[in-house]
Amino acid sequence: NAGVTQTPKFQVLKTGQSMTLQCAQDMNHEYMSWYRQDPGMGLRLIHYSVGAGITDQGEVPNGYNVSRSTTEDFPLRLLSAAPSQTSVYFCASSTAISGEKLFFGSGTQLSVL
Amino acid sequence: GQQVMQIPQYQHVQEGEDFTTYCNSSTTLSNIQWYKQRPGGHPVFLIQLVKSGEVKKQKRLTFQFGEAKKNSSLHITATQTTDVGTYFCAGGNQFYFGTGTSLTVIP
Repeated sequence: NAGVTQTPKFQVLKTGQSMTLQCAQDMNHEYMSWYRQDPGMGLRLIHYSVGAGITDQGEVPNGYNVSRSTTEDFPLRLLSAAPSQTSVYFCASSTAISGEKLFFGSGTQLSVL
Repeated sequence: GQQVMQIPQYQHVQEGEDFTTYCNSSTTLSNIQWYKQRPGGHPVFLIQLVKSGEVKKQKRLTFQFGEAKKNSSLHITATQTTDVGTYFCAGGNQFYFGTGTSLTVIP
């Protein structure tokens, strides 16, 4: 039972490069989300999805795209990486948008030079 | 958007001392959850509170939800080195997280 799987664990990009952070869950959860974690700022919601084909913006969506073509996968795309996107990124899933516990992936440490 | 603030941001305690972190929301919350993140790890769910004035205990941890459902607290009695980490509250829709309290326990 893998839970929430994120890849890669570490990534270094140059300014302007694009990349996709992968997230997959095997718990048949409808709700999936992406957070970024920066020192002193907690976990900030980037984008979330309440089911396949449905996505919405969180607190800090600029510079990121998401799609949800299947229940299992929720990739996060950085269109043109900027140093301000240097952060730790967590994917999470739950059975519902609220009122149920979140299961987190192990995170991706991203550095943009 | 919804704002959830936590204080203090950092706390250093001697092993055996008590520790409390507070979570305050600008709006009424339908529920509040608490998570713990060990250094280098990912957040792990601890508990959820739903009812006004609710109090729940997990061994040395006591969680409270305010009467107005706008604030919450986590109290750890007699801290141990295994309590080290960052404690987050998360409330309401879309799981908005507080800024977290980083706990250091000095042996």
